[in-house]
Amino acid sequence: GNSVTQMEGPVTLSEEAFLTINCTYTATGYPSLFWYVQYPGEGLQLLLKATKADDKGSNKGFEATYRKETTSFHLEKGSVQVSDSAVYFCALRGTGGFKTIFGAGTRLFVKA
Amino acid sequence: NAGVTQTPKFQVLKTGQSMTLQCAQDMNHNSMYWYRQDPGMGLRLIYYSASEGTTDKGEVPNGYNVSRLNKREFSLRLESAAPSQTSVYFCASSEEAGVNSPLHFGNGTRLTVT
Repeated sequence: GNSVTQMEGPVTLSEEAFLTINCTYTATGYPSLFWYVQYPGEGLQLLLKATKADDKGSNKGFEATYRKETTSFHLEKGSVQVSDSAVYFCALRGTGGFKTIFGAGTRLFVKA
Repeated sequence: NAGVTQTPKFQVLKTGQSMTLQCAQDMNHNSMYWYRQDPGMGLRLIYYSASEGTTDKGEVPNGYNVSRLNKREFSLRLESAAPSQTSVYFCASSEEAGVNSPLHFGNGTRLTVT
């Protein structure tokens, strides 16, 4: 079945550092891929998405490219801020719809 | 625009008690979902409703029931709570059930069963 694997955290960075959070997936067909972010005490919010191979999703300085050849969707940001501290979830929504599969989440701490 | 609203925010139950978690969305979305979030396990789908009048089991449906009351509301019921159901519960909605449609989440209900 479909699955998502993302790097374990926590990840601790200093402000203005470069961020990469790795995500790989297993799926049949042509899924859509998503990154969601969860701030303390809140629900998940969509950060970005990509719906087909080689698409790049971007939002708020974050980017991720849908790589079918490596089945990956790594999240990157060039310069993180303290306000980016949160838990980040990689997710997949497969053909046949309905069920979004989530990775375990990666907690990011950014120090001033 | 409130989005997805869940009540209550917090709840403590004793083993064997029952309760219903309420969820409503004001985005005119067709599909609604209940997830539970446990440390290190991401989110797991309990039940979903692809459209008004339909409900289906997700990955972890045992011990739960749902009702899609109308297009806006989707409730989750625990008939006889168990400590294993201690978790954070999230309701979500999407415009439709298709592969490209992202989820919109409520802020969650933190449930403790003692």
